[in-house]
Amino acid sequence: GEDVEQSLFLSVREGDSSVINCTYTDSSSTYLYWYKQEPGAGLQLLTYIFSNMDMKQDQRLTVLLNKKDKHLSLRIADTQTGDSAIYFCAESPNDYKLSFGAGTTVTVRA
Amino acid sequence: DADVTQTPRNRITKTGKRIMLECSQTKGHDRMYWYRQDPGLGLRLIYYSFDVKDINKGEISDGYSVSRQAQAKFSLSLESAIPNQTALYFCATSDRGGDRAPTGELFFGEGSRLTVL
Repeated sequence: GEDVEQSLFLSVREGDSSVINCTYTDSSSTYLYWYKQEPGAGLQLLTYIFSNMDMKQDQRLTVLLNKKDKHLSLRIADTQTGDSAIYFCAESPNDYKLSFGAGTTVTVRA
Repeated sequence: DADVTQTPRNRITKTGKRIMLECSQTKGHDRMYWYRQDPGLGLRLIYYSFDVKDINKGEISDGYSVSRQAQAKFSLSLESAIPNQTALYFCATSDRGGDRAPTGELFFGEGSRLTVL
């Protein structure tokens, strides 16, 4: 969706950290989401952050939210080959209809 | 077995043909959605349904129609397919929400790849 923007490609070396950035437009979104799509599969919820939080950490994943700038990022520590996928940022202008970005294709190289 | 099942997984058809994509779910969710995925555009919402008697247009509903035959079934039809409807189509479901968080969690099928020649 044109309201959510993210870069299309990211290449990272195995073991390094990956950072995927996203900007969104609707400040009323209650939650912001990161979905992961592996090859040949549908999307799966990876993590999410409530809009009144600045940061959320979940094992190798760190989500940072800057509400002032409407900027969301996903950091993957110690990136592995299994992290190769398309990552979608999504906002929820209302609770039940998500607006997705175009997706960032992450390629992990040895 | 997958919780959200789409059929067919792949389909090649010709311009002007009628096509139906079917979706069934065993998650017991009230809400069902149809999205299409195009490279560089992400996912765009075609139609959504909050219960059997509730059907709503999404951002790109022109050229599509839907039917919610039961709580578990939601089908997408292309009455007269055209080449720019070539895409990967996803069905998704979500729970009713309320106090449970996150209310926006969608559960996706594996996709139906449609090619219109």
